Amino acid sequence: GENVEQHPSTLSVQEGDSAVIKCTYSDSASNYFPWYKQELGKRPQLIIDIRSNVGEKKDQRIAVTLNKTAKHFSLHITETQPEDSAVYFCAGSRGGSQGNLIFGKGTKLSVKP
Amino acid sequence: GAVVSQHPSRVICKSGTSVKIECRSLDFQATTMFWYRQFPKQSLMLMATSNEGSKATYEQGVEKDKFLINHASLTLSTLTVTSAHPEDSSFYICSAPRASDYYGYTFGSGTRLTVV
Repeated sequence: GENVEQHPSTLSVQEGDSAVIKCTYSDSASNYFPWYKQELGKRPQLIIDIRSNVGEKKDQRIAVTLNKTAKHFSLHITETQPEDSAVYFCAGSRGGSQGNLIFGKGTKLSVKP
Repeated sequence: GAVVSQHPSRVICKSGTSVKIECRSLDFQATTMFWYRQFPKQSLMLMATSNEGSKATYEQGVEKDKFLINHASLTLSTLTVTSAHPEDSSFYICSAPRASDYYGYTFGSGTRLTVV
């Protein structure tokens, strides 16, 4: 079935460094790829998303790139801060927009002061 | 806009009892609601999809008789965990596609279920 693979599972960086998280997907019909930040016991918070008709999107320190041919997309966080520490999930829409999201397994990001 | 209110946020119940979790869309009509379960340190796994006025669609491996889903109106979807067991202890969260944003999803705040 459809699958979203996410790497790495844990990532530790020094404050100010960049962090990159990568995901691959299997559903060719997926056309929406959001990234969520989840703090313990709370709902996932959308931090950035990208649709299949663009290759890159940036919002201040956060950027996402999408390679539809290779079926992979990545999250880039620059100038990391301790408050960026959380679990990050990538997701892909199943069967196009408005279908359910299939989530990656998550990446626990730790930013050390 | 596009808020989904989920209740309760936390619930502790005894084995064998049933627990109902509600998700209400406050300012939009949710014709579809996705129900996810998240075990500690794991990802969100889709359990079922509820559609207003029709039967829910369950993912493989999810017992429909144990996890009863009702979506009787455009603003309310409920998940009832019947005959709960300790292994049902998990974080349950609902999500609805936002009609105003073709690609957007709104999440409820989640329910932490502990079965003792």
